[in-house]
Amino acid sequence: AQSVTQLGSHVSVSEGALVLLRCNYSSSVPPYLFWYVQYPNQGLQLLLKYTSAATLVKGINGFEAEFKKSETSFHLTKPSAHMSDAAEYFCAVSLNTGGFKTIFGAGTRLFVKA
Amino acid sequence: DAGVTQSPTHLIKTRGQQVTLRCSPKSGHDTVSWYQQALGQGPQFIFQYYEEEERQRGNFPDRFSGHQFPNYSSELNVNALLLGDSALYLCASSLARQFNEKLFFGSGTQLSVL
Repeated sequence: AQSVTQLGSHVSVSEGALVLLRCNYSSSVPPYLFWYVQYPNQGLQLLLKYTSAATLVKGINGFEAEFKKSETSFHLTKPSAHMSDAAEYFCAVSLNTGGFKTIFGAGTRLFVKA
Repeated sequence: DAGVTQSPTHLIKTRGQQVTLRCSPKSGHDTVSWYQQALGQGPQFIFQYYEEEERQRGNFPDRFSGHQFPNYSSELNVNALLLGDSALYLCASSLARQFNEKLFFGSGTQLSVL
């Protein structure tokens, strides 16, 4: 089954440090990939999406992700973490199964230490 | 422009009861997807409605059913509630014709089954 796997349910970084959240996908066809963020007691909002126009995708709040077909990965990075980045992050893949549906990974909770 | 709205925000039910959750999609959107998010997990796809019909379904029992109205709003019904149905239920809207388009999420309905 096509899916996404997020490595690490929790990641902790210091403020100002690099953020790296890992995502691997399994897909037999070029995938549509997304990263969403969820703040406490809220729904999900889109950070960025892969559209096949470029392998390096820039999103909101300084986040970016690189699509690597050879590694089937779509890791999320941010050069310098801010306290406001503390949230739950979900990698997702959109599948065409007679209509498009989006499947989410289990999520990675990011903690940012002062 | 109103985004996705869900009601109620919180709900407490007892085992065996039935519940109805409601969702109004973002203005202009014609597709509604429902997700169940258990504590500490990623959203799990329940089903998707388009043109008032269930177009796709995830791995959920028939106790979970839905409906879409001509104005594109949607309801999720769960019968014979189990303790394990306790979760955050998220509604997401999108445009069917835009394959790679992001989902817009509501803030969810927190369902507690006692």
